[in-house]
Amino acid sequence: DAGITQSPRHKVTETGTPVTLRCHQTENHRYMYWYRQDPGHGLRLIHYSYGVKDTDKGEVSDGYSVSRSKTEDFLLTLESATSSQTSVYFCAIGGGPAKNIQYFGAGTRLSVL
Amino acid sequence: GESVGLHLPTLSVQEGDNSIINCAYSNSASDYFIWYKQESGKGPQFIIDIRSNMDKRQGQRVTVLLNKTVKHLSLQIAATQPGDSAVYFCAENIINSGYALNFGKGTSLLVTP
Repeated sequence: DAGITQSPRHKVTETGTPVTLRCHQTENHRYMYWYRQDPGHGLRLIHYSYGVKDTDKGEVSDGYSVSRSKTEDFLLTLESATSSQTSVYFCAIGGGPAKNIQYFGAGTRLSVL
Repeated sequence: GESVGLHLPTLSVQEGDNSIINCAYSNSASDYFIWYKQESGKGPQFIIDIRSNMDKRQGQRVTVLLNKTVKHLSLQIAATQPGDSAVYFCAENIINSGYALNFGKGTSLLVTP
């Protein structure tokens, strides 16, 4: 998966608890992204980062925050998880030699009970 | 809002036949389009991309066609193999969003012996 590690790979949590998902890359790509994938919706952009400490919102950013303190790490936080945030979360990197191509991690399956 | 969509949610083909997966897009300002393949339990994998100033691009056993007049994109897979069974997504870049992508809902390709 192009030097992208997502952790954890699976998580079950309760409504109202905070959750942080981590994405780590070894490719030194400038851009990093978080998407969620739900049946019938394809992948939808949550947040993205265009550099250290530089982030912006995507289509479905409500209820999520992100941080990027180092080039290689991009964190996605659910401050207070809800059942509607049960999903598979994918991290992607881009802006490498082929700037427009994104490479994806293996995903994190999150269940909020 | 503007979106990327697919004509068929599922496609079944016999091994050795050619497959054609279609996609409609509505954002005429997109600079490029990308096809991804996603196998069960994995992240999307880049297949091929095409810039908006092109109408055809070929890769290994795959061809992408872009018809800007009718805003239509297709992925052709030659001599389909069992390993091609997966969900295929088309995606277009989101303007001014750091190469972030807007994905279609996906087409499931099933290759039968």
